Amino acid sequence: DQQVKQNSPSLSVQEGRISILNCDYTNSMFDYFLWYKKYPAEGPTFLISISSIKDKNEDGRFTVFLNKSAKHLSLHIVPSQPGDSAVYFCAARYRVPYGGATNKLIFGTGTLLAVQP
Amino acid sequence: NAGVTQTPKFQVLKTGQSMTLQCAQDMNHEYMSWYRQDPGMGLRLIHYSVGAGITDQGEVPNGYNVSRSTTEDFPLRLLSAAPSQTSVYFCASSYSLRSVDTQYFGPGTRLTVL
Repeated sequence: DQQVKQNSPSLSVQEGRISILNCDYTNSMFDYFLWYKKYPAEGPTFLISISSIKDKNEDGRFTVFLNKSAKHLSLHIVPSQPGDSAVYFCAARYRVPYGGATNKLIFGTGTLLAVQP
Repeated sequence: NAGVTQTPKFQVLKTGQSMTLQCAQDMNHEYMSWYRQDPGMGLRLIHYSVGAGITDQGEVPNGYNVSRSTTEDFPLRLLSAAPSQTSVYFCASSYSLRSVDTQYFGPGTRLTVL
């Protein structure tokens, strides 16, 4: 059972336009969400994150929105650049008891973003 | 810093063979982990370690062994390879369990089991 779902395997966007990547989750015990970017033949690299107590986090051209009632998060890239072409994974972390910690993440299946010049 | 390094980059095994995937980091990170990436499955956690001498299982541990004798190294062993273990394997590390944002991944090992 896929607890973190990225239903769009691929997305193509024109340079300069907005890219919107979506992610849905099923487990209300997730308390922290992350987006990773992956180029071919490289490992994933951290892009941006959001805590479940927030609904928006922005970092330069990248903004992540969290809708807890819908169990949905999205990554907006504005403006999109050809160098943004990569696979994007969303990931979620389980809530742990007070004072605890975990780095165990559940990943989505990824969305391949192609930004056309 | 070299970051997280993995060897080999590519490997082909026959069913039943054993091998060890190497992972090393030079950032003095406490936490290290192994993931596998399969088409349509995302990355799944195999094993992880919160420090030298301490390891635990992730989502998909069957068929894999790990040990952590030093802070720097976290090898993944396949004792008897099976075609179902054909995958891309990523090692990751972070300073601690609380630093999930700064989990650094290695470049991956692409393993094919015939």
